[in-house]
Amino acid sequence: AQSVTQLGSHVSVSEGALVLLRCNYSSSVPPYLFWYVQYPNQGLQLLLKYTSAATLVKGINGFEAEFKKSETSFHLTKPSAHMSDAAEYFCAVSDTGTASKLTFGTGTRLQVTL
Amino acid sequence: GAVVSQHPSRVICKSGTSVKIECRSLDFQATTMFWYRQFPKQSLMLMATSNEGSKATYEQGVEKDKFLINHASLTLSTLTVTSAHPEDSSFYICSALGRDETQYFGPGTRLLVL
Repeated sequence: AQSVTQLGSHVSVSEGALVLLRCNYSSSVPPYLFWYVQYPNQGLQLLLKYTSAATLVKGINGFEAEFKKSETSFHLTKPSAHMSDAAEYFCAVSDTGTASKLTFGTGTRLQVTL
Repeated sequence: GAVVSQHPSRVICKSGTSVKIECRSLDFQATTMFWYRQFPKQSLMLMATSNEGSKATYEQGVEKDKFLINHASLTLSTLTVTSAHPEDSSFYICSALGRDETQYFGPGTRLLVL
């Protein structure tokens, strides 16, 4: 069975600073990995995904993530935070080779301050 | 593309009544849809997997007679909360599986049972 650990339930950064949200996974087979963002009272929006192609994945809104098999990590980064990035971020894994069943992390709330 | 809608966005009902939530994939066909439940400040919990033309697959601990799922067409899945009680109050989110093996999420439905 797969699992996801998101370190830090709450991350605060200054506007313009680097954003780093951590995600570690465990999976018995090569995983598919996803980052989703959720704004208050809304559903989830796909930021980016890794499906065994390039290990550095670029997503929307300037976010990117790097798949590191040796570290079983898929951390999300953005060089310069914007106020509009404040939201809840979820990392998810699927180890069935498809997104048929996603296991989500507990989420990280990103706060961006002036 | 890959837009998923949910209706209603918010519903308040009396204890003992039933509530139906619709999930539609607007610009693609989805043989598989998923239903999640999210408690305040928590992650998403998968309730069931809905497959077009067949019975839904429920996760352990989810009462199938209480949460009725119907996936009658390739663009519509419905979740009916039967005999709702206050403890069923929650945020319900659906997703539809795209051809790119990515889950696309609806905006969610907030249910309040009085």
